Amino acid sequence: EDQVTQSPEALRLQEGESSSLNCSYTVSGLRGLFWYRQDPGKGPEFLFTLYSAGEEKEKERLKATLTKKESFLHITAPKPEDSATYLCAVQPRSTLTFGKGTMLLVSP
Amino acid sequence: NAGVTQTPKFQVLKTGQSMTLQCAQDMNHNSMYWYRQDPGMGLRLIYYSASEGTTDKGEVPNGYNVSRLNKREFSLRLESAAPSQTSVYFCASSGGGQGKNTLYFGPGTRLTVL
Repeated sequence: EDQVTQSPEALRLQEGESSSLNCSYTVSGLRGLFWYRQDPGKGPEFLFTLYSAGEEKEKERLKATLTKKESFLHITAPKPEDSATYLCAVQPRSTLTFGKGTMLLVSP
Repeated sequence: NAGVTQTPKFQVLKTGQSMTLQCAQDMNHNSMYWYRQDPGMGLRLIYYSASEGTTDKGEVPNGYNVSRLNKREFSLRLESAAPSQTSVYFCASSGGGQGKNTLYFGPGTRLTVL
């Protein structure tokens, strides 16, 4: 059975305090790993897709990395506007399986 | 480009009532999906349509039906609503070129069943 586990469930940071979110997965063949951002009351917004171990992608203060068993979303010098829930999803076949998310709160 | 649109935004039903959630996309995507999101459960796939004319069950299809009306539109129907169907429902679409598996989500429908 495909499984996606995100940790921690919630994370509180001070503005400027860098950290990482973890997404570990168990799938029978990975076709892609996706990161989304979700603001309260809104639909998930696409951030990154990673396809193979060793791949990295960056966008502003966010950097996503992928190994054979997990992915990290590194947040460098976060700002309050980075506060959101971050969702990880894997694609073993034709559909995506999502983790439960990490709720990030960045305080000024 | 509106992307993925959903109607209604909010809905309150009584147990046993029926309703249809509407979804449309203007990105010429082939695939469309319905997810529900519940606290502590994450996003779970209800039904999806890989292409016009096809539909398949996802993880939690019981109590729902879907219709792929055309390439743009994919509706979700609750025939006899139950309190367990209280949730936030998201429609998504994907398809077309590099990154074709990337899902693009609508704003969601918040449904309460009393």
